[in-house]
Amino acid sequence: IVLTQSPGTLSLSPGEKATLSCRASQSVSSGFLAWYQKKSGQAPRLLVYGTSTRATGIPDRFSGSGSGTDFTLTITRLEPEDFAVYFCQQYTDLPTFGPGTKVDIK
Amino acid sequence: QLLESGGGLVQPGGSLRLSCSVSGFNFNDYSMSWVRQSPGEGLEWVSGISENGNSIYYVDSVKGRFTISRDNSKSTLYLQMDSLRVEDTAIYYCVKDRWQQLADFDYWGQGTLVTVSS
Repeated sequence: IVLTQSPGTLSLSPGEKATLSCRASQSVSSGFLAWYQKKSGQAPRLLVYGTSTRATGIPDRFSGSGSGTDFTLTITRLEPEDFAVYFCQQYTDLPTFGPGTKVDIK
Repeated sequence: QLLESGGGLVQPGGSLRLSCSVSGFNFNDYSMSWVRQSPGEGLEWVSGISENGNSIYYVDSVKGRFTISRDNSKSTLYLQMDSLRVEDTAIYYCVKDRWQQLADFDYWGQGTLVTVSS
């Protein structure tokens, strides 16, 4: 399953809302889709799994939604530490990742 | 904690063995994977192994060249990489499968850099 993410880069200011899209080449069954945050020089961090369940310790400004082939990660109010690259990942089949969306400071 | 080691510079066609020493959770109870990130690129799942080592999977690009294994008595995961290619250059992360094999990954090591170059 090939994942595409849009936009490639999202330029926003702290306090704004970020909406990131992930589209799959075929249906992701059982909502087996996850989102990760990655900062330069750090390992990725699991944010959301099962489409909409936040991982342990993830603040509620992060939320995931979607079904089938279209999924969304929403960050309601961007904090300074949220500027990073975000990857989606499916696990219906052998795991694959999207190319990422970079959220940078406007 | 997941601590990778074994990365380095190797010539094309060469071999490396990565290790990942695990602490802080019962290694025997979880399947594990390797994920890599090439310079300036995205993430790619490379290989996964079940709790007892009986179920193993690879991405097509490394089949026949890489071998994943684990030693539960030592809480250690391995990745033997043979016939290395320039395109295998990446940071290799050891990751824990959150709930079942080949699912999402809730713990990641800091990664070890593998550079394949002449």
